[in-house]
Amino acid sequence: GAGVSQSPSNKVTEKGKDVELRCDPISGHTALYWYRQRLGQGLEFLIYFQGNSAPDKSGLPSDRFSAERTGESVSTLTIQRTQQEDSAVYLCASSVSGRLTGELFFGEGSRLTVL
Amino acid sequence: QKEVEQDPGPLSVPEGAIVSLNCTYSNSAFQYFMWYRQYSRKGPELLMYTYSSGNKEDGRFTAQVDKSSKYISLFIRDSQPSDSATYLCATLMRFGAGTRLTVKP
Repeated sequence: GAGVSQSPSNKVTEKGKDVELRCDPISGHTALYWYRQRLGQGLEFLIYFQGNSAPDKSGLPSDRFSAERTGESVSTLTIQRTQQEDSAVYLCASSVSGRLTGELFFGEGSRLTVL
Repeated sequence: QKEVEQDPGPLSVPEGAIVSLNCTYSNSAFQYFMWYRQYSRKGPELLMYTYSSGNKEDGRFTAQVDKSSKYISLFIRDSQPSDSATYLCATLMRFGAGTRLTVKP
């Protein structure tokens, strides 16, 4: 499809396990963003990529969280040693370029449940 | 202080009502403001986009920015049950908490 694709759509894991969440942005979009949305809450900014570099990763909550992007395309968000408070929907978005003015196109999210 | 503050509601109105949704922001340098709409279990979608101060109208929706008070508003006229969703204000990649709106038939 032409939209932002995220996988898995749902993930249930046990506390202490590592998880990887994947985002395929819209083709040609140079900017990519990760957000976390806890139940009933707004979007919490995690990290922003311009190309393959991350000029703003100020929102990553701890060193258990990391993200990378390769080939100016796919991005992976990795959460190590998951905790119950990591349970949330992780949303990925992409935009044509830049951080100031571009419309963000969102995927449907990866719903993570940590037991 | 969060960069964007928004009352999470929830807000419930009868069909046909005028809805007012509001946010404040902290950095006077912000110039671009957006409103996104998010339906349940979906990703947010851009609804309105404004630059600097003033109003922008699109059908039943009006977005307003008052830079002197750092206040952003979204007005919905003749609200419909299909408008029931969470509305999020945003600027510079930062989002407000979102206001959950229910329009009752």
